[in-house]
Order: sequence, then structure tokens, then C-alpha cells
Amino acid sequence: SQQGEEDPQALSIQEGENATMNCSYKTSINNLQWYRQNSGRGLVHLILIRSNEREKHSGRLRVTLDTSKKSSSLLITASRAADTASYFCATDDNQGGKLIFGQGTELSVKP
Amino acid sequence: DAGVIQSPRHEVTEMGQEVTLRCKPISGHDYLFWYRQTMMRGLELLIYFNNNVPIDDSGMPEDRFSAKMPNASFSTLKIQPSEPRDSAVYFCASRSSRPEQFFGPGTRLTVL
Repeated sequence: SQQGEEDPQALSIQEGENATMNCSYKTSINNLQWYRQNSGRGLVHLILIRSNEREKHSGRLRVTLDTSKKSSSLLITASRAADTASYFCATDDNQGGKLIFGQGTELSVKP
Repeated sequence: DAGVIQSPRHEVTEMGQEVTLRCKPISGHDYLFWYRQTMMRGLELLIYFNNNVPIDDSGMPEDRFSAKMPNASFSTLKIQPSEPRDSAVYFCASRSSRPEQFFGPGTRLTVL
């Protein structure tokens, strides 16, 4: 079953602009993770935020978590054409180690 | 480390044939996950193992699917008999005690 719902499903921006993707989930979580998938490749872990954290940064990535609203956002600043990929949120509800993935946001960054 | 290794990368078979997908997790990782990805259903967890023991196989579609992990460095996902609706990309992932998962490159399966 899908835990996370992502919004928007697709996003097209120009290089240099910021990209924001949102994720909503249904149950209590231990942590929330974001992954990137380039076309034809496996998923790559980007960043993890724990349930007791509200914001986290990693390079050009900024993740926020609002557990009261059961939502998270991923911001990519100063986007590049190489950021073109699908981005997935995944929730860990501490039920034995598995993740539940959202449907993903397809990001296209045009040069 | 070479990362998670999957084979074959592409498989084309005919309906009714047996298909075996293989995965070698990252050394030292004690969790192994099998996922299936399609346009219609997204990324679905099929089954996962901890210390070679299946923990949750509730995502396995039906009895035609089976998975084994005979040792810490090898797992197989078998489909017998295969059907056209099994066409998808199958990913294997592994993790250690840390929560981040590491994915393999996937096997693209086409069942004609």
C-alpha cells in the first residue's frame, strides 16, 4: 500500500530556479527519506529526516517535516539540468525496517 | 564496494516460462528488499529479509512468485509461470542497521 502521496506529479522549471516537492503520509513515522531516480536507474538515497526534526539541509537540498500535518517538503535550490529525475519520499514507520514509497514527482529542469 | 548487484539487467521471456532474478547485496548489510516498479502501480515492496530470514512477504502478488536468501550474499526472486502482467522493473535493495536503503540497477523484465 502506498503511504506517501506526492505533489505535484510533474514539475518543469528552468535552470537556476528552485524546485519544491511535497509529500503527505498517513501514519506515525520514525523517519522520512527522499530518494532520486534517474531514468532507467535504481533509486539513490538523498536525505533522511527523523520524526523529532523539523528541518534538515544537505548541499542544495532542504527538507522540512511537519508531523502534525503528516507532511514533508523537499526544496532543491538553484536547480541544474542534471537534477532532472523522479523524486520519491519514503516513510519508515519503525515496523521492522521496511519503507513505504510515494508515487514520486517527475522533475524536469530545462537548460 | 561495488554496490548492490543484480542480474540479468534485461530479461525477455515468453508467457509460461520460469524467470529467476538474482541479487547480491552490499557486504555487511543484513536487510534485503525486493521491489517491483511499474507505471501503473509505482514502486511496490514485494518481500524483505533480515539476516536471511523472510520477514514480510505480504507484497508478493501470488503463489507464482517466490523468493529465497540462502546466504547473506545472495538472493533470488523466481516467477513460475510468468505472465505478461509481470512485466516490470524489479529492484533489489539492501541496508545495514542504518535506515537508508541502497538500490541495485534493476532488472527489466518483459513477458511476451
